Amino acid sequence: GAGVSQTPSNKVTEKGKYVELRCDPISGHTALYWYRQSLGQGPEFLIYFQGTGAADDSGLPNDRFFAVRPEGSVSTLKIQRTERGDSAVYLCASSLSTGDTQYFGPGTRLTVL
Amino acid sequence: EDQVTQSPEALRLQEGESSSLNCSYTVSGLRGLFWYRQDPGKGPEFLFTLYSAGEEKEKERLKATLTKKESFLHITAPKPEDSATYLCAVQKDSNYQLIWGAGTKLIIKP
Repeated sequence: GAGVSQTPSNKVTEKGKYVELRCDPISGHTALYWYRQSLGQGPEFLIYFQGTGAADDSGLPNDRFFAVRPEGSVSTLKIQRTERGDSAVYLCASSLSTGDTQYFGPGTRLTVL
Repeated sequence: EDQVTQSPEALRLQEGESSSLNCSYTVSGLRGLFWYRQDPGKGPEFLFTLYSAGEEKEKERLKATLTKKESFLHITAPKPEDSATYLCAVQKDSNYQLIWGAGTKLIIKP
């Protein structure tokens, strides 16, 4: 079946702009996770959802970052007033339920000029 | 502080030359340890989950083992297509976050 998909694959924006990154999880997976990965590093946890609610958002770096999952499937990560330091690959993963094996999408490469 | 350290950072092997990658961890309450493979420009691809010391899992040329302080990913007679970055992550039993190492970049020369 289809894996986790993320759009866009690449996003270039200017400092101060607003961006939205989308994640479509594997069908039937109730848990969804967002990570950020910088070059040469492992992924860094941002937030995870169980169903529609954010179960743990302790990894969001500040209040410019926000994520939603209104119908318990697709999720959108929103970044306001982007900064050059936000440049990274944003990865999304889903699992059948919380704590199960996480399967990753290909990521969105965000570049803030 | 919870921490995952992988070594070496990079490893170059000849095709057929077996070796091991190390993942050492300090975490309060381990729920599971995960190994992933990541190719350039792609997301991590799941390989193994290990839950308790002494457990071993195998898949083709890869075998993962777990002790109370570290995990090893053994690669036997590797091929060039095994070249990738191998990432290790631990999951705590108090929440479901994955805490990641920085990875080992493995290059297999033909």
